[in-house]
Amino acid sequence: AQTVTQSQPEMSVQEAETVTLSCTYDTSESDYYLFWYKQPPSRQMILVIRQEAYKQQNATENRFSVNFQKAAKSFSLKISDSQLGDAAMYFCAYISSGAQKLVFGQGTRLTINP
Amino acid sequence: KAGVTQTPRYLIKTRGQQVTLSCSPISGHRSVSWYQQTPGQGLQFLFEYFSETQRNKGNFPGRFSGRQFSNSRSEMNVSTLELGDSALYLCASQGLAGSPGETQYFGPGTRLLVL
Repeated sequence: AQTVTQSQPEMSVQEAETVTLSCTYDTSESDYYLFWYKQPPSRQMILVIRQEAYKQQNATENRFSVNFQKAAKSFSLKISDSQLGDAAMYFCAYISSGAQKLVFGQGTRLTINP
Repeated sequence: KAGVTQTPRYLIKTRGQQVTLSCSPISGHRSVSWYQQTPGQGLQFLFEYFSETQRNKGNFPGRFSGRQFSNSRSEMNVSTLELGDSALYLCASQGLAGSPGETQYFGPGTRLLVL
């Protein structure tokens, strides 16, 4: 079974600085997709970034970028120029091309210090 | 486009009762997935429907069931509620083809408290 591991239960960063959240996953599949979702205190899950495993190029969305290392099964999220609104739980998620269910990590709580 | 909506947002029930939660996907989306979120177990997949058919099911007891209507709206039902069913129930809808690579867009969730 596929698993997703986020080894950092909590992280904190100063406003305007850069922070990297770690995620590793375990799968025997070769075709899959990876996501980072953000869950603020309102509890609504919001997509941050999406990566297709067959693409070697790392996905970026404005201040958010990933470091996708397929051989190492690693998918870290870098947030540049952190803002107070970035404070939230961040979940790494995996989905196989042959399945229809997202497998989530346990989440990392990110605090932004003003 | 309106996002995914879930009703009700909050619910309090007692053990042994049953509950029905509703989810309306983004217009045009035909796939709806349900997830349970608890502090202990995290986010777990319940089931997924596409064009009124259940395509996938997670490892939950038969007390958890769902259905999807022709307008893609979905309901999930939990019968004989247990204290451990207290959770945030999230619904997510997915694009036109409902394929795994498409992004799942989540609703605000229904928080269920079982007393």
